[in-house]
Amino acid sequence: QVQLQESGPGLVKPSETLSLTCTVSGGSIGGYYWSWIRQPPGRGLEWIGWIGYIHDSEKTENSPSLKNRVTTSLDTSKNQFSLKLRSVTAADTAVYYCARGQSFFDYWGQGIVVAVAS
Amino acid sequence: EIVLTQSPGTLSLSPRERASLSCRASQSVSANFLAWYQQKPGQAPRLLIYGASDRATGIPDRFSGSGSGTDFTLTISRLEPEDFAVYYCQQYGLSPWTFGQGTKVEIK
Repeated sequence: QVQLQESGPGLVKPSETLSLTCTVSGGSIGGYYWSWIRQPPGRGLEWIGWIGYIHDSEKTENSPSLKNRVTTSLDTSKNQFSLKLRSVTAADTAVYYCARGQSFFDYWGQGIVVAVAS
Repeated sequence: EIVLTQSPGTLSLSPRERASLSCRASQSVSANFLAWYQQKPGQAPRLLIYGASDRATGIPDRFSGSGSGTDFTLTISRLEPEDFAVYYCQQYGLSPWTFGQGTKVEIK
C-alpha cells in the first residue's frame, strides 16, 4: 500500500520560502508522477504542480498562477519529492497535500498545515 | 483555464436516499478527463471516479459518474452514513487542472 507523508515547517514568515517534502513508502517514486495540491482554510482545492522521473528523465509542470514562485524536485535515492514556494504571503496559508498522479490523484498524504505569518 | 461550477452547494438528504451532484465546465472537457473526490473533515480527499465514469479501486458501486462535454454528474444510488461529506469534481483535460468549489452532502 502506497503511503505519502508531508513534512516541513508549519509557520513561514511573509516574503520567505515555504519548503515541504513528501516521503513515499510502499512503492518506488520512479516511474510515476507526483503532485502538490493545496487547500486554503475553509475553501476548495488548488493544483500546484506535478513532477515525475520517467524513462531516465525528470519532467515537471506547474500551475501558471504560481509558476514563477514554484520549484519542485525529486530525490529517487530517498524516495522523496519536494516543493519550494518563494515570496509567500498570507494568501499562501493552506493545507498542503502531496499526492500520486499527474492528472488525477489516487493516493494522498494526510496534509500539512502551513501558516504564513510574522 | 476551465472553471468548474458545482451544484447545489449543499444537498440535504436522508440515509438510503439517492444523491445527484452536478459539475458544469466553462468549456468542453477533452476526452471526458474528469474526476470526482470525496473529502471528510480533517481528511485528505479520496478519489472516487476518473475518466468521468470509471470507479477507482475499492470504491463501492453505489457511486457512479456520468456525463460528457461540459456537464457531468456524480450519483450516489443509496446514501450510507459514511457518504455524508464534501464532493469535488476536477478536470484534467486542459492545464492548469482545476477543481470545482465542492458540494456538501449533509444529513437531513
